[in-house]
Order: sequence, then C-alpha cells, then structure tokens
Amino acid sequence: SAVISQKPSRDICQRGTSLTIQCQVDSQVTMMFWYRQQPGQSLTLIATANQGSEATYESGFVIDKFPISRPNLTFSTLTVSNMSPEDSSIYLCSVMGQGGTYEQYFGPGTRLTVT
Amino acid sequence: GEDVEQSLFLSVREGDSSVINCTYTDSSSTYLYWYKQEPGAGLQLLTYIFSNMDMKQDQRLTVLLNKKDKHLSLRIADTQTGDSAIYFCAELGAAAGNKLTFGGGTRVLVKP
Repeated sequence: SAVISQKPSRDICQRGTSLTIQCQVDSQVTMMFWYRQQPGQSLTLIATANQGSEATYESGFVIDKFPISRPNLTFSTLTVSNMSPEDSSIYLCSVMGQGGTYEQYFGPGTRLTVT
Repeated sequence: GEDVEQSLFLSVREGDSSVINCTYTDSSSTYLYWYKQEPGAGLQLLTYIFSNMDMKQDQRLTVLLNKKDKHLSLRIADTQTGDSAIYFCAELGAAAGNKLTFGGGTRVLVKP
C-alpha cells in the first residue's frame, strides 16, 4: 500500500490569507487527487493533480481559489487562497495506480480552521 | 449525477456481526470500495471488489456485491470496540469520469 504524508496536519488561519498543503507519497503513482471533507460530511473531489500540466477541476472548484502543483510523480501541493470560514474543512490527498492497481489510498488529512 | 447511498447509523453489540449496506446507481461501475475513518484520521482502505465478482472475503471482512440490484454490503464478523468508526462505500465508474463517488458514510457504534 502507498504511504502518504501531508503537511501541515492542522492549522488555524485568518480569513483572507492563503495556506499551502503538501502531499508526499513514498512511491511513484499514476493519479493524485485532492478532496475536501466538510464537518460531518462525506468527501468531495476538488481536482485531479496532473504531472506536468494543469490540474483538472471538478464542478464548483476553480484554479484561482485552489491552485495545485504536481512537479513529479510523488509530490503535490494544494493552496487554499483568500480563505473564508466556509473553507474550514479537512483536506485530503489521495493516490491511485501504484503498481498498476485500482487501489486508492488517502493521506491523514489537513484539518483547516479559518477564523 | 451518479449517486451512492448508505444508512446513517448502525449500533451493534461487541462480538456480534455488523452488516453495512450501500446502494449505487452507476451501471458502469468497475470497482467498489469500503473505507474506514476513525475520529481525526484519514480514510483507511479496508477492501475493494471488482464488479464481475459477487463476493470477497478478507479475514473478518466479507464484501457481497449484487450487481443486478446495485447493492453492496460489508459484513464485519466478531465486531470489536475498535471497529467503531464511520464507514464509507465508494464506486469507480465511467459515468463519473472514472473517479470515486462516495456515499455519505455509516457511523458504526460498537457497544460492550
């Protein structure tokens, strides 16, 4: 199974600021994703992080608000820009395709609180 | 869009079996997954099943898939207090662009 780490694990931020979340995987993977889990809710896919090209965003999410980088096959960042209290959520990195399988693994998440 | 539904809550006595149910609408599902989320943690992949299988067993976990009825279940044998968590089912299908669609989660409470 893939081992995924995220930094920071949690943060409290002021509205109007930005936070960059890092995701590191212990091996090369085909697909990397970013999800949001709002309090008491299920997971919503924000975007697919594409290596060497722009991320593919889901409906309701835009690049200006959630810029994503993926410089190589083991690392990605998600920035939450110009934050408001509505952005308070857990943000999770996820990967699929290690060893050519369809197993999809999740990182431990970054718990963000915006005040 | 495609939909995945789960019941909200399940209470079970320690030592009994738990059965968590899930229904989905995507006829093009290829894989179906069960995840466990403990408080303050990420999602742990418990097991997954290919859509041309109808059963998969892994130690205390048994997954049953009824593709005709689009119904998936997870049975946990000899449920322990450490099994208390939220369980999410998810499906991977062409209708959602081969990305996971999650159910709302079932909160399982194991009573001693």
